[in-house]
Amino acid sequence: DIQMTQSPSSLSASIGDRVTINCQASQDISNFLNWYQQKQGEAPKLLIYDASNLETGVPSRFSGSGSGTHFSFTISSLQPEDIGTYYCQQYDKLPTFGPGTKLEIK
Amino acid sequence: EVQLVESGGGLVQPGRSLRLSCVASGFNFGDYAMHWVRQLPGKGLEWVSGLSWSSSGIAYADSVKGRFTISRDNAENSLYLQMNSLRPDDTALYYCVKERRSESGYPEYYFASWGQGTLVTVSS
Repeated sequence: DIQMTQSPSSLSASIGDRVTINCQASQDISNFLNWYQQKQGEAPKLLIYDASNLETGVPSRFSGSGSGTHFSFTISSLQPEDIGTYYCQQYDKLPTFGPGTKLEIK
Repeated sequence: EVQLVESGGGLVQPGRSLRLSCVASGFNFGDYAMHWVRQLPGKGLEWVSGLSWSSSGIAYADSVKGRFTISRDNAENSLYLQMNSLRPDDTALYYCVKERRSESGYPEYYFASWGQGTLVTVSS
């Protein structure tokens, strides 16, 4: 299995801040990486696919970058509705998810 | 609007079986690969199984291989997960998940639409 790690595991930021979450794969996965947002009590939502492509209807303040083993997810200006847990997921091999990053408002 | 409604979860003893169902609406179910993804209580996400539009392509996570069977009935817009020899570490919220696009009809692992999940608890 390809192991995914994320950092930080939790994050507290202020409204309007730029927020970055990192994701690392245990081996080269090219750009086969997705990002999801999960709000409390809800199912996950696909935000970014193929490492950097914004899913339809997702606000442009969300972005992703990276390839190979290192990836990042950025919120350019944090909004109150962005609180939740963010997961990366690889699909180079059978899919595996990162452990998640919990984002809170300071 | 895509809707995925899971059912069949509940409390079951270790070693017993359970069958989950998912009824889909709002899209051409027969064109899309579908998956089951689970979430352990208060924890992260684990892909369980996926199958192609025609059921010709099926994959399982190692943790469930040989115990779980995924299937679908395109005429009924339904996805199923037969879970046998259940263990306490199978306790989780099980989500029915739709692929992002239908071009290939095979699992590509873009988990675009999710149901609300059905809770499976394995305990004596």
